[in-house]
Amino acid sequence: QKEVEQNSGPLSVPEGAIASLNCTYSDRGSQSFFWYRQYSGKSPELIMFIYSNGDKEDGRFTAQLNKASQYVSLLIRDSQPSDSATYLCAVNDSYQKVTFGIGTKLQVIP
Amino acid sequence: ETGVTQTPRHLVMGMTNKKSLKCEQHLGHNAMYWYKQSAKKPLELMFVYNFKEQTENNSVPSRFSPECPNSSHLFLHLHTLQPEDSALYLCASSQDSGGDEQYFGPGTRLTVT
Repeated sequence: QKEVEQNSGPLSVPEGAIASLNCTYSDRGSQSFFWYRQYSGKSPELIMFIYSNGDKEDGRFTAQLNKASQYVSLLIRDSQPSDSATYLCAVNDSYQKVTFGIGTKLQVIP
Repeated sequence: ETGVTQTPRHLVMGMTNKKSLKCEQHLGHNAMYWYKQSAKKPLELMFVYNFKEQTENNSVPSRFSPECPNSSHLFLHLHTLQPEDSALYLCASSQDSGGDEQYFGPGTRLTVT
């Protein structure tokens, strides 16, 4: 059973701080990694994907991948109340199947 | 808007009803998916179609019946559902089914009474 683990939260951060969201996965052969944002009552929206070890930056978002540790994270700089949502980690495993984590609920406090 | 539309957005049905969910994608993708999202559970993959051929059925009960007439349209036919089938049903598409990023429709909130 391929697993993608996330802390369901909620993770509370003050406005302007850095929010750090973490995800671990069990399949060492996993090849691509995705972060989705899901607002309450809405569908998931793709915000980042990363394939290679290291960091990938897009605006206030940075995805970090460490395949040796089987760990992927999402950093949100200068967090805003509008960033409050559930963040889903998704992993494409060695069988080309995408598995989603349960999601981490982020609350940005004004 | 992601280019994936779903209808209806909300559906209430009795256990003896038959209804269908519709999904359409305008992204030129070849793969389409049905997911079920229940409270406090991860997204559950139900079905995958690639080039309108079903490539995955994730042990879904037969009361859910998918149909994919072409690469742009996907249906989920529902009959004799149970109250525990109440959930958000999400359609997604991707360029191919080999692990590409997926784009989701707005979902259908289904309530079975």
